Amino acid sequence: GAGVSQSPRYKVAKRGQDVALRCDPISGHVSLFWYQQALGQGPEFLTYFQNEAQLDKSGLPSDRFFAERPEGSVSTLKIQRTQQEDSAVYLCASSLALREGRDEQFFGPGTRLTVL
Amino acid sequence: QKEVEQDPGPLSVPEGAIVSLNCTYSNSAFQYFMWYRQYSRKGPELLMYTYSSGNKEDGRFTAQVDKSSKYISLFIRDSQPSDSATYLCAMSAWNGNTPLVFGKGTRLSVIA
Repeated sequence: GAGVSQSPRYKVAKRGQDVALRCDPISGHVSLFWYQQALGQGPEFLTYFQNEAQLDKSGLPSDRFFAERPEGSVSTLKIQRTQQEDSAVYLCASSLALREGRDEQFFGPGTRLTVL
Repeated sequence: QKEVEQDPGPLSVPEGAIVSLNCTYSNSAFQYFMWYRQYSRKGPELLMYTYSSGNKEDGRFTAQVDKSSKYISLFIRDSQPSDSATYLCAMSAWNGNTPLVFGKGTRLSVIA
């Protein structure tokens, strides 16, 4: 079956440009997470949604970062006025949001953002 | 000090070797412990999922959790070149529906 998909896979932006990264979660998955993975580092949490509600955005590094999931399915991570330090792979993950038992987060392939 | 510490390696072993990977953590609230494998330019994929302390085995992979020492391990037996990847430990205080805290990842190369 279809997994988590992300687009674009690669994005090059000039410093100061705005970018939008899209995530299509697995159908029926309630929770959606965004992580940032810098080169040689593990993923770091940015924000997550349960359906359309953004439950935690404590990991967003600045107010230039904004995420939405208006219909509880597809999500978009927007970065305004990109800076070189925003260069990273942005990973999206989704899960069923089970209260009991194993609840796995399934990851997409990521969007590699390079800011020149 | 980061919440989760993991030696980034790189680690290079001959085919057939037993590989030991480990992480330490500081947050005693963590109860769910995972190991993810990440191939180059791919997203992480879940290998092992463990709740609380103890051992879990799945084929050539064994995960161990020692909550008293705040130490988790992943063992790979009879390592294969296809095991060459970055291995990430991850943990959370609650089941799945919460953000994961990852280690830095250990890059493993298995040489044929």
